[in-house]
Formats: sequence, C-alpha cells, structure tokens
Amino acid sequence: AQSVTQPDIHITVSEGASLELRCNYSYGATPYLFWYVQSPGQGLQLLLKYFSGDTLVQGIKGFEAEFKRSQSSFNLRKPSVHWSDAAEYFCAVGPPFTTSGTYKYIFGTGTRLKVLA
Amino acid sequence: GAGVSQTPSNKVTEKGKYVELRCDPISGHTALYWYRQSLGQGPEFLIYFQGTGAADDSGLPNDRFFAVRPEGSVSTLKIQRTERGDSAVYLCASSLGLAGGINEQFFGPGTRLTVL
Repeated sequence: AQSVTQPDIHITVSEGASLELRCNYSYGATPYLFWYVQSPGQGLQLLLKYFSGDTLVQGIKGFEAEFKRSQSSFNLRKPSVHWSDAAEYFCAVGPPFTTSGTYKYIFGTGTRLKVLA
Repeated sequence: GAGVSQTPSNKVTEKGKYVELRCDPISGHTALYWYRQSLGQGPEFLIYFQGTGAADDSGLPNDRFFAVRPEGSVSTLKIQRTERGDSAVYLCASSLGLAGGINEQFFGPGTRLTVL
C-alpha cells in the first residue's frame, strides 16, 4: 500500500538550532516528493520538491531535503531555525507517471514544530 | 496572478443540513483536486477533475459527497445530510494538468466545515 510516514508528531527546538524532520514513504516506484508547510489558518505552502536528479534539493526559507532511495526517505533540514518557522510540516508523495491521469498526492500526518525563543 | 481561492473560509452547519463549498482555481489550470484534512491529520484525496469531468472520485467517502465543475473552472463540493464526522478543513488544489508533465499542485486556504 502507498503511504507516507512522519514519525514525529511534535518537535521542539530552540531558535538558532538545527532541524531535521523525518519522512519515509512506501510506494511502487520512486515517487515525486514534496514538503509543505502550513501555518495556522493558512493554506499549504510548497517548501521544496524532488522529481529527479540531484538528491539534495534546496527550497524556500532556507530549507533543504535529501532523497535517499535506499531508505525510502526524504528528510527535511534547516541549519538554523527561526521563530517564524513554527508551523506544521507535511511530507507528500505523488506519482511519477500515471495511466489514469490522476496525480493525487498522499500526505503524511504532519509534524508540528515549536520554536523556543 | 491570483492563487486558488475558496469560499466560504468557515462554514458552520447543523447535522442533517446540506452544504456547498466553492473552489476557484488558478486561471488556466485544467486539473482540480479536492482534499479533506481532519484534525491532526494530513490532507486526504477526495476527487480529481480534468476539465469538466471527474476523472477520479475514488476518495469520496460515500454518496453524500458530490462535486461538480460544469465549465471546467470553478468547482463546488456538495455534502448532503451532513454528519458531525464531516467536520474538517476542505482543501482545493489546482495544477496545469498536462499529461506526462510535472503537475505541481497549488493549494487554496481551505474551508473549515463544522457540523454541530
């Protein structure tokens, strides 16, 4: 079955500390991979995406993620967290190809980040 | 240009009532998706439109849920005989929908539905 696992429901870090949010997926083929951020009352904002090529991808707001095929992982990282990064983060996968034309995403359950001043 | 918009932003209704949720996608996007996000969960796929037709409605939980997109742009998600379990944030997304292309989805802010 296709699924996305974000094992950490909550993470708390101090401002200025580094951050890593974990994401593992189960999929028939290597999917397209995404990280979204959702602030309270806001829609999902795309942080970064991986389709192919370089396994280390850079995104907005200083985030990066590394795709590891052998571990079926796509972990999100940031070297120095800012208080404004406090939000919920979702990992998602989408099909690299489709016979039906449907590019539906499968989301993880999210990781809520709290940043201590 | 404008992003995906959804109205209303909040909807409170009573059990058993009928509700309509509206999504206005990005201009030129032929693909439109509805997702439902329950409290503490990630978004779950409901239905996908390519143009006017529902190409995949496999995520609709039961026949109380229905969606239309009559002119290939705006879409309406309709829920009949609402139940308390329908309370969630309903998200709409759109993409260019090019066959074989990289179809990045752009999400709207969602409609928070509360069924009392």
